Amino acid sequence: EAGVAQSPRYKIIEKRQSVAFWCNPISGHATLYWYQQILGQGPKLLIQFQNNGVVDDSQLPKDRFSAERLKGVDSTLKIQPAKLEDSAVYLCASSPGAGLNTGELFFGEGSRLTVL
Amino acid sequence: AQTVTQSQPEMSVQEAETVTLSCTYDTSESDYYLFWYKQPPSRQMILVIRQEAYKQQNATENRFSVNFQKAAKSFSLKISDSQLGDAAMYFCAYGHSGNTPLVFGKGTRLSVIA
Repeated sequence: EAGVAQSPRYKIIEKRQSVAFWCNPISGHATLYWYQQILGQGPKLLIQFQNNGVVDDSQLPKDRFSAERLKGVDSTLKIQPAKLEDSAVYLCASSPGAGLNTGELFFGEGSRLTVL
Repeated sequence: AQTVTQSQPEMSVQEAETVTLSCTYDTSESDYYLFWYKQPPSRQMILVIRQEAYKQQNATENRFSVNFQKAAKSFSLKISDSQLGDAAMYFCAYGHSGNTPLVFGKGTRLSVIA
């Protein structure tokens, strides 16, 4: 079974530029999460999708971050314009829908962003 | 809001020895899940062990076991017979129900000394 796929693995941009990250969850997983992991800290939730709907985006900085999951499968996270403090690893995770869930999240390898 | 605290930023252990990583959490819920995840350098986070709060028996997975103290809201991870491949960041995480985001601690960096 294929795991959670993310791209690109690494990205370096100047501040005020834009960047997009892509995630393809495990096949059949209804729930998709984007987490931000700043160096030396634990992952922090940015947004949760259930199929193609947003469940929780309360911690997403909406003035610069946006995310979508149009067909309920893969997802894109965009940052525009980027700030220095956005330097982090962006982790995508997925889990089966409610009723099939053990609570475990399955993570991708992450996309490391460096903003100069 | 639920919080997870890992008070040990770094730990080290000799190969073949035993080490315990600490985790405490805060919640008003009675039913929840607790997890330990391992994150090797530049590699993806993988599940080490999982505990359901309603189960009194401590979870065990091969060399990994937990000490779950529900009343004290404590959830420590014991690694026995430590191996070089155990070196990684370890994150404690809390989940309220089966389809909610996990809340993570800040992590403990474990070094294994040959």
